[in-house]
Amino acid sequence: ETGVTQSPTHLIKTRGQQVTLRCSSQSGHNTVSWYQQALGQGPQFIFQYYREEENGRGNFPPRFSGLQFPNYSSELNVNALELDDSALYLCASSRRQGGASYNEQFFGPGTRLTVL
Amino acid sequence: DAKTTQPNSMESNEEEPVHLPCNHSTISGTDYIHWYRQLPSQGPEYVIHGLTSNVNNRMASLAIAEDRKSSTLILHRATLRDAAVYYCILRDAPWAGGTSYGKLTFGQGTILTVHP
Repeated sequence: ETGVTQSPTHLIKTRGQQVTLRCSSQSGHNTVSWYQQALGQGPQFIFQYYREEENGRGNFPPRFSGLQFPNYSSELNVNALELDDSALYLCASSRRQGGASYNEQFFGPGTRLTVL
Repeated sequence: DAKTTQPNSMESNEEEPVHLPCNHSTISGTDYIHWYRQLPSQGPEYVIHGLTSNVNNRMASLAIAEDRKSSTLILHRATLRDAAVYYCILRDAPWAGGTSYGKLTFGQGTILTVHP
């Protein structure tokens, strides 16, 4: 069973640029959630994707957007990067069936984004 | 979202039991209590969850107060590998509806240090 993978591992961008982060969910999982973790803080929920549609969003501006593909992999896109976007971006997958969610989420190792 | 309160840090010696407390006085009837932990340089990992009754699994035990306003994660014999940030999280039951089935609301967590 393949776990959650994320790419790239590290990324450096400059203010105003755009970035795309990628996540491959664990085999058999159909739901992907994205989190932002600033240094020394707990992860903050950005949004979740299920059936290729956004299904719940945290307190993040529209310049944070995402996609989920038919194979359940996902992308997080951030436009107009700001210095405060520097963080660890975590992807988590889970399995949802029949309107109910299985409770356990599996996290990837994260992508460390630095905005200069 | 209902909030949880945890001590900022705790220390333990290797092979001794560890009791990590969590207060959640505003918990609702449909909230499950989840625990995740985050080892250094890794994404969070699921530890255990419960609703009303005490729960045991291979990693830990979860003791839930009768009024559900507090809970305790118990590591029966701490190892050096258990050194991590432990997060206590309240989460809507999967059957409770809503639009954020996968949302985990992380707080600051408890930093557990295990001494050899």
